[in-house]
Amino acid sequence: DVKVTQSSRYLVKRTGEKVFLECVQDMDHENMFWYRQDPGLGLRLIYFSYDVKMKEKGDIPEGYSVSREKKERFSLILESASTNQTSMYLCASSLWRQGTGTQYFGPGTRLLVL
Amino acid sequence: KNEVEQSPQNLTAQEGEFITINCSYSVGISALHWLQQHPGGGIVSLFMLSSGKKKHGRLIATINIQEKHSSLHITASHPRDSAVYICAVLNTGTASKLTFGTGTRLQVTL
Repeated sequence: DVKVTQSSRYLVKRTGEKVFLECVQDMDHENMFWYRQDPGLGLRLIYFSYDVKMKEKGDIPEGYSVSREKKERFSLILESASTNQTSMYLCASSLWRQGTGTQYFGPGTRLLVL
Repeated sequence: KNEVEQSPQNLTAQEGEFITINCSYSVGISALHWLQQHPGGGIVSLFMLSSGKKKHGRLIATINIQEKHSSLHITASHPRDSAVYICAVLNTGTASKLTFGTGTRLQVTL
């Protein structure tokens, strides 16, 4: 079974703090994704990575950066957290050549920025 | 207008009822996914469709490519079916990125 894990389930940070969210997958997937999920807006793509050190901006990259130094690990960084980044953050992974788009999701991190 | 629209946004049903959730999309797709998200956050894949119909237990998913429409049906609903159901499409020409609907929140009561 594919397993995608995220470093924290719940996180409380203060405005201006640097925040790291980490995602690890154990199925050698090339693709990894970071989403945020807000009520009424659904899942929105922040960043996508299709290989080590490769990244692509999603729909809402402003205020975020990412790092993928190893194939299994994809980090989301909030350089200076703001209250409007309070949200649920979900990581996912998929095979590059699968062709169906099936993604495997982590359990999510609920981030509160005070 | 969103590329993927779901209806209804919220749905309350009594145990045993037949439930239908709808998904319409406006782009060419190569696959459509139905996902389930329970309270607590984790998302699991229920179905991947490119044509026709699939069934798994009490869940049935159908897709009409010409009409750009898919439905998820739950027969004999149960309180444990309470969750958010999300429709997502893989656009034609996109290898990996999904476009998501905003979800349908289903609550099944006793």
